[in-house]
Amino acid sequence: DGGITQSPKYLFRKEGQNVTLSCEQNLNHDAMYWYRQDPGQGLRLIYYSQIVNDFQKGDIAEGYSVSREKKESFPLTVTSAQKNPTAFYLCASNAGRWYAGELFFGEGSRLTVL
Amino acid sequence: KNEVEQSPQNLTAQEGEFITINCSYSVGISALHWLQQHPGGGIVSLFMLSSGKKKHGRLIATINIQEKHSSLHITASHPRDSAVYICAAAYSGGGADGLTFGKGTHLIIQP
Repeated sequence: DGGITQSPKYLFRKEGQNVTLSCEQNLNHDAMYWYRQDPGQGLRLIYYSQIVNDFQKGDIAEGYSVSREKKESFPLTVTSAQKNPTAFYLCASNAGRWYAGELFFGEGSRLTVL
Repeated sequence: KNEVEQSPQNLTAQEGEFITINCSYSVGISALHWLQQHPGGGIVSLFMLSSGKKKHGRLIATINIQEKHSSLHITASHPRDSAVYICAAAYSGGGADGLTFGKGTHLIIQP
């Protein structure tokens, strides 16, 4: 079955460490997105990519980095520069212009900084 | 920044009740998404609509473009409907950062 796979589901990190969250899709979608979810807030866009080898910053990109070397993969690195990284992270994709197509989400990764 | 407001924030109902969740947005949109977030955190797309009404099983979504308002209805609610329901407005001419999410409605259906 087609879908989006995020890993790990839970991750604990010490302050000062970088961590990378994996996002893989087998839907053949061009567009992929990373969102952050905090309690009581709507999803906020971190980075997005509409084509391989290209990506753009979203509303809250500071302290994060991404790459898009393959169509099916869009990993997110949470760097030590991110001041408040404890959050739930969601990866999403769709077939093209996001407002013209159904959004598909992964199951999320919950990052806790100790 | 464009705003999306959902109401109520929390809703507890008895099994079998008719449920309505509301979503209002501030400017013209290209489409509005209704999403369901499971207790484990994963999100599933329920509807994407730009006008009128859509129905899938016991779920119905409507949108009134003039009033900038959308509703999600659940008929014959069941405990398995317990989840967070999120609306997201896709703004005309916006890029990926033009998709604005509401804060969600936490629905609990008691048996």
